[in-house]
Amino acid sequence: QVQLVESGGGVVQTGGSLRLSCAASGFTFSSYAMHWVRQAPGKGLEWVAVVSYDGSDEYYAASVKGRFIISRDNSKNTLYLQMDSLRVEDTAVYYCSREAGRSGDYWGQGTLVTVSS
Amino acid sequence: DIQMTQSPSSLSASVGDRVTITCRASQSIRSYLNWYQQKPGKAPKPLIYAASSLQSGVPSRFSGSGSGTDFTLTISSLEPEDFATYYCQQSYSALFTFGPGTKVDLK
Repeated sequence: QVQLVESGGGVVQTGGSLRLSCAASGFTFSSYAMHWVRQAPGKGLEWVAVVSYDGSDEYYAASVKGRFIISRDNSKNTLYLQMDSLRVEDTAVYYCSREAGRSGDYWGQGTLVTVSS
Repeated sequence: DIQMTQSPSSLSASVGDRVTITCRASQSIRSYLNWYQQKPGKAPKPLIYAASSLQSGVPSRFSGSGSGTDFTLTISSLEPEDFATYYCQQSYSALFTFGPGTKVDLK
């Protein structure tokens, strides 16, 4: 069965860096675009970034562009989110999701990132 | 960027009620509209894609309609497990933006 498991969250100070991972299993990872979506405490969902199936294309929300980098290693079935210059407002649960039919059809359980000042 | 709005932001309903949630895009997104359900502390659950197609395993009491800029999610008869927050998401552009959500709670 399809599984997405995020890891790498934690507490980091303002201006610091963190790298999130999303380990995929149960499907042909290299055939699917993958997304990161986040949710600040008590707030709604915010789309963060997408990477194409082969890693050749990436798009970012304006709020993270220039600070975050989405990437993937298809040999390891793993999606990444490198987060630099972190701000307090980046505090959120970060979810990875698989894109199928222009929709996120499978989601991980999320990993919490807390940025403290 | 394409902006998404939802109405209402919250609603109170009873089991058995028919519930309708509206989502509007700032420009035409054709039928590239998805709906998700989220319960507290849980990941979003996909409900509908391409405006009106049910994701696998989603009960038939959920339906979606619309195209262009205006879309609707309807729950024909609310069940206890349907109390949750619902989000629309456009996938017309490369940046898959979400609406602000609609919380459905018990009257």
